[in-house]
Amino acid sequence: TQLLEQSPQFLSIQEGENLTVYCNSSSVFSSLQWYRQEPGEGPVLLVTVVTGGEVKKLKRLTFQFGDARKDSSLHITAAQPGDTGLYLCAPRSGGTSYGKLTFGQGTILTVHP
Amino acid sequence: KAGVTQTPRYLIKTRGQQVTLSCSPISGHRSVSWYQQTPGQGLQFLFEYFSETQRNKGNFPGRFSGRQFSNSRSEMNVSTLELGDSALYLCASSLGLDTGELFFGEGSRLTVL
Repeated sequence: TQLLEQSPQFLSIQEGENLTVYCNSSSVFSSLQWYRQEPGEGPVLLVTVVTGGEVKKLKRLTFQFGDARKDSSLHITAAQPGDTGLYLCAPRSGGTSYGKLTFGQGTILTVHP
Repeated sequence: KAGVTQTPRYLIKTRGQQVTLSCSPISGHRSVSWYQQTPGQGLQFLFEYFSETQRNKGNFPGRFSGRQFSNSRSEMNVSTLELGDSALYLCASSLGLDTGELFFGEGSRLTVL
């Protein structure tokens, strides 16, 4: 059974601060997705990382996939109130998972103006 | 392009009753997945349908069932409702690829009294 941990569980920061969210597992992933869910909405895909050591940037968001493909991180630079939401990681183990994702518990981020 | 539509958005039921939730996927998407989201357990996979066939199933009791129609619209049913079934039920549509993006609806908020 794959153990998936996201940390921290809660994060409350001021606008302009930097932060990092982590996603760790005991298993090797074939790829990993990060989603963000805002209150009253469904999750929305931010990025998919596929290659070990891969780094992807999306404006102020930087995503890294660990070399061993067991962990990932999301770094936000100069956070803004619009970044507030639940950040979820969802690794894929390959094969036939298709629409079946195992999500981490998530990190609830609150950015205060 | 219209997004994923879920109905109803909110509903209240009492223990022992049954409920049916509906999901209309994005046009052209043949895969529909259902998830249950609660504060304690997070986002958990229920089942996935692809071209009217159940392709993956999560670890939920048989009271939870679903189906998909020829136009890809999907319904899920929960019978003999329990208090613990109170949750946000999210539907996600996709092309059905193993590394693909899931597009979520806004969810159906079920309260069981």
